[in-house]
Amino acid sequence: DAKTTQPTSMDCAEGRAANLPCNHSTISGNEYVYWYRQIHSQGPQYIIHGLKNNETNEMASLIITEDRKSSTLILPHATLRDTAVYYCIVRAYLNTDKLIFGTGTRLQVFP
Amino acid sequence: GAVVSQHPSWVICKSGTSVKIECRSLDFQATTMFWYRQFPKQSLMLMATSNEGSKATYEQGVEKDKFLINHASLTLSTLTVTSAHPEDSSFYICSARAGGYTDTQYFGPGTRLTVL
Repeated sequence: DAKTTQPTSMDCAEGRAANLPCNHSTISGNEYVYWYRQIHSQGPQYIIHGLKNNETNEMASLIITEDRKSSTLILPHATLRDTAVYYCIVRAYLNTDKLIFGTGTRLQVFP
Repeated sequence: GAVVSQHPSWVICKSGTSVKIECRSLDFQATTMFWYRQFPKQSLMLMATSNEGSKATYEQGVEKDKFLINHASLTLSTLTVTSAHPEDSSFYICSARAGGYTDTQYFGPGTRLTVL
């Protein structure tokens, strides 16, 4: 599975959009981009995933560049409860079951 | 979304004892479950992959005789930490693969193990 690169930490004001970038320049054609987050002392929570089209659900939007080498997770209106570590993971659909977690981005939402 | 539970949520035990942690998928069947370990301020580390009805596959460096995994049904996997020692104190998290179109893994809330 391809590796990902994320900034170590980011800050965001409450109510503003939080844009979390992820680089995955070695991604293969059959690999999806998954986003999870982990709030302190809890298990990771699934957010969203996509292959090449932009995706949106009730939690977030995922924007994937045309060359698929990077993506951005967007939390449209960040709240204090969105403070967490966000993990970007690439994985081949049905090819390997493993989710390999990197260090993620620690998002701090402030009032 | 799919729900995965773990029991217990925390456990304190004496050195040398064994501890069993249960992981259940509550509203879906999971042919594959995973066990992770997380030390303070570190990321999740995959320990093993558990397939229903077969032996678990352990990651390199994980002792299979120390961390016994049983996946007897499509909704239950257990991790037993045998002869626990203080260095086994950690946050243990399971996940279950939902399969289907999303092929997404859903995680349990974790179990905090403290070995005295």
